[in-house]
Amino acid sequence: AQKVTQAQTEISVVEKEDVTLDCVYETRDTTYYLFWYKQPPSGELVFLIRRNSFDEQNEISGRYSWNFQKSTSSFNFTITASQVVDSAVYFCALTNNAGNMLTFGGGTRLMVKP
Amino acid sequence: EPEVTQTPSHQVTQMGQEVILRCVPISNHLYFYWYRQILGQKVEFLVSFYNNEISEKSEIFDDQFSVERPDGSNFTLKIRSTKLEDSAMYFCASSEDQLDYNEQFFGPGTRLTVL
Repeated sequence: AQKVTQAQTEISVVEKEDVTLDCVYETRDTTYYLFWYKQPPSGELVFLIRRNSFDEQNEISGRYSWNFQKSTSSFNFTITASQVVDSAVYFCALTNNAGNMLTFGGGTRLMVKP
Repeated sequence: EPEVTQTPSHQVTQMGQEVILRCVPISNHLYFYWYRQILGQKVEFLVSFYNNEISEKSEIFDDQFSVERPDGSNFTLKIRSTKLEDSAMYFCASSEDQLDYNEQFFGPGTRLTVL
């Protein structure tokens, strides 16, 4: 069975602070994919990144960066210089190679105050 | 940019009534999914669908749920006899394939309220 744990249920920061959202996963599959989604107050799920289990390179996209460490089964997400518009719930998710279902973590609610 | 659409955005129904939630996946996608999110909780997988068959379903997806692709564009989720605990946001998603490029694109969701 697969499991995704986001231990931080809620984080509050002041604008321009850096913040890291933690994600730890469990799977028996050797090939799998990890994702981050953003859910703003409007409710939709916005895809942020996909990473496959064979690619441990960290990725940076603007103010966002992701640190994938297979040895610790973690896929953490950092927002640099946070902005009020970053306020949302962020979900980490995992799928196996069959790709036919996403297992989501419980989400981390990020509040960025001006 | 192509997107997944869902109707209605909000559905209110009485307990015991049947509801049908509708989704139009991205046109060249072959795999379709339903997820639900009870208010304040995590997103949970319900079912995946490919080639007019269910390919995977979760424990939540019991006999009161069914899915159908009635024509070339729509993908529906039917709840036969709604219960109070079915109140949730229901998300439809689609993907081009399930292997190398298996990003699931989500629709905006349908909020179902069962009274």
